Amino acid sequence: DTGVSQNPRHKITKRGQNVTFRCDPISEHNRLYWYRQTLGQGPEFLTYFQNEAQLEKSRLLSDRFSAERPKGSFSTLEIQRTEQGDSAMYLCASSLFGQETQYFGPGTRLLVL
Amino acid sequence: DAKTTQPPSMDCAEGRAANLPCNHSTISGNEYVYWYRQIHSQGPQYIIHGLKNNETNEMASLIITEDRKSSTLILPHATLRDTAVYYCIVPTQAGTALIFGKGTTLSVSS
Repeated sequence: DTGVSQNPRHKITKRGQNVTFRCDPISEHNRLYWYRQTLGQGPEFLTYFQNEAQLEKSRLLSDRFSAERPKGSFSTLEIQRTEQGDSAMYLCASSLFGQETQYFGPGTRLLVL
Repeated sequence: DAKTTQPPSMDCAEGRAANLPCNHSTISGNEYVYWYRQIHSQGPQYIIHGLKNNETNEMASLIITEDRKSSTLILPHATLRDTAVYYCIVPTQAGTALIFGKGTTLSVSS
């Protein structure tokens, strides 16, 4: 257990529905990252926050995806109008500013039917 | 990120040392080498990182060549629980995205 928690751990939804995932980072970590991992591939970067500011977004993050970290603590990742191609493991990681070591949560596995 | 090259798979007998190589010939002088692993259906787990000197912790040892163009992760006494995908990563800038390649799938058997 790294101290990074994610909820829910599993989510099954129908195409077109909206889903929201939550990540609680290690308490003193001010950087928070979201990654997506499809079957057989390594994790791919989506976006990251430093405190409440979203500093970088990948081109993978389409307009249907939005991430927030309103108080610089937990973060949410919302996917609107889900598509079957969104089926993946969504991973959250956190780190302390000035250090490169990212600690990952267990992930949320999404299945879109 | 500096490009890294790893063998796609390796086998190791339980109790033996597992030596996982990584090439990072384009690494810059101030870039660290990081190793993570991912056990099936879990999030990636940080193992170790280093800059120039060899490093050791409770999980593994990291040997970096003098020219820093390659490194080897050593699991001294592999167990079945070490079966995982191992990723060698060289982050370009502190605090930004980690770029995961395909890694090395290590299979430890009894």
